[in-house]
Amino acid sequence: EAGVTQFPSHSVIEKGQTVTLRCDPISGHDNLYWYRRVMGKEIKFLLHFVKESKQDESGMPNNRFLAERTGGTYSTLKVQPAELEDSGVYFCASSHRIGEQFFGPGTRLTVL
Amino acid sequence: GENVEQHPSTLSVQEGDSAVIKCTYSDSASNYFPWYKQELGKGPQLIIDIRSNVGEKKDQRIAVTLNKTAKHFSLHITETQPEDSAVYFCAAFLLGSNFGNEKLTFGTGTRLTIIP
Repeated sequence: EAGVTQFPSHSVIEKGQTVTLRCDPISGHDNLYWYRRVMGKEIKFLLHFVKESKQDESGMPNNRFLAERTGGTYSTLKVQPAELEDSGVYFCASSHRIGEQFFGPGTRLTVL
Repeated sequence: GENVEQHPSTLSVQEGDSAVIKCTYSDSASNYFPWYKQELGKGPQLIIDIRSNVGEKKDQRIAVTLNKTAKHFSLHITETQPEDSAVYFCAAFLLGSNFGNEKLTFGTGTRLTIIP
């Protein structure tokens, strides 16, 4: 069974540019989560999809972040315009049932 | 909301010795406590978890203990090996919430180094 995949693995952009991160969850997993780890700090929750619906987006930092999951399969997280403080590793996770979440390898975003 | 503290931030242990990582949580309603191991270039992988109706759980060289009264839980790795070197994260979660609050709250991570 393929695990959670994320693309790209690494992205370097200038402040003010736009970046779109993609996550492909494990097939059949209705629950999809986005998390972020800023250097040296904890992994923080951003939002949770159940199929194509946003169940909880309380962790989204501001309206520069937009997450979508059209069709309930893969998800994208767009940052527009990117700021320096958006740098970090963005993780996606999926689960079939609530609790046990399987994480992808992450996308390391560097905003210069 | 939930807040999880994790100590130590770094830990070096001689190969063969034991390693202990401790976490405390703030929300007494949390009832599920997973531990994740993150190796270089990979995402966090679930290695063991414990639910609040259990005080201890073991899986080969790894064990987790939970003290609900004190709101702390610990990861114990015995007979450490070089491949145990990684960053370990504890987390707390509320299973069965009806409020859509189904998110993991993580600690800040412990970088464990096993010295050969």
